[in-house]
Amino acid sequence: QVQLQESGPGLVKPSETLSLTCSVSGDSMSTYFWSWIRQPPGKGLEWIGYIYYNGITNYNPSLKSRVTMSIDTSKNQFSLRLNSMTAADTAVYYCAREYYDTLTGTGGWFDPWGQGTLVTVSS
Amino acid sequence: EIVLTQSPGTLSLSPGERATLSCRASQSVSTSYLVWYQQKPGQAPRLLIYAASSRATGIPDRFSGSGSGTDFTLTISRLEPEDFAVYYCQHYVSSPGAFTFGPGTKVEIK
Repeated sequence: QVQLQESGPGLVKPSETLSLTCSVSGDSMSTYFWSWIRQPPGKGLEWIGYIYYNGITNYNPSLKSRVTMSIDTSKNQFSLRLNSMTAADTAVYYCAREYYDTLTGTGGWFDPWGQGTLVTVSS
Repeated sequence: EIVLTQSPGTLSLSPGERATLSCRASQSVSTSYLVWYQQKPGQAPRLLIYAASSRATGIPDRFSGSGSGTDFTLTISRLEPEDFAVYYCQHYVSSPGAFTFGPGTKVEIK
């Protein structure tokens, strides 16, 4: 059973860069898409972007200029960097596996998710 | 850009009652890419329904999804105490590959 676990700082200063890592256990990262999703306190969900096991990325246009994702399949990890952080970026950040079958074109859902990590932007 | 609207914002019901949650898309979407999640306080979302009507592994059959075009419904036939939570619909667009979530419906105990 695949499990995901986010790690990183809980507090980031304004204008600094957030770096988070998601560790994947219980399955290979190959043939899957790996996403980051965030949720401001008391609000809804926002997809940040995904990275494919081969390194191909796709980001939410609203965040694209500030986001970088990377993957290390040898360590079963993928990472998020979000620069120029502001208070509006305060949120619980989730990593998740996206199911998508590139052969059949079926998929587009997230399962499983990590437990999430709260990131607060404050000086 | 497809926008998802969920209604009602809050649904107040008693255990044993039927819950009907709506997700409306701003334009017609493929049923293949319409998904529902359940989220309880302090927890990550959990996949309930994918491809509009297929239950995810381990999801009880009191949960069902239906709909097509712009209107989709999540139905909980008889609410159990553990079903009181927030429910989100989500859509995926294969090109260029983007995901949109609805604002959520909170199902609370009446």
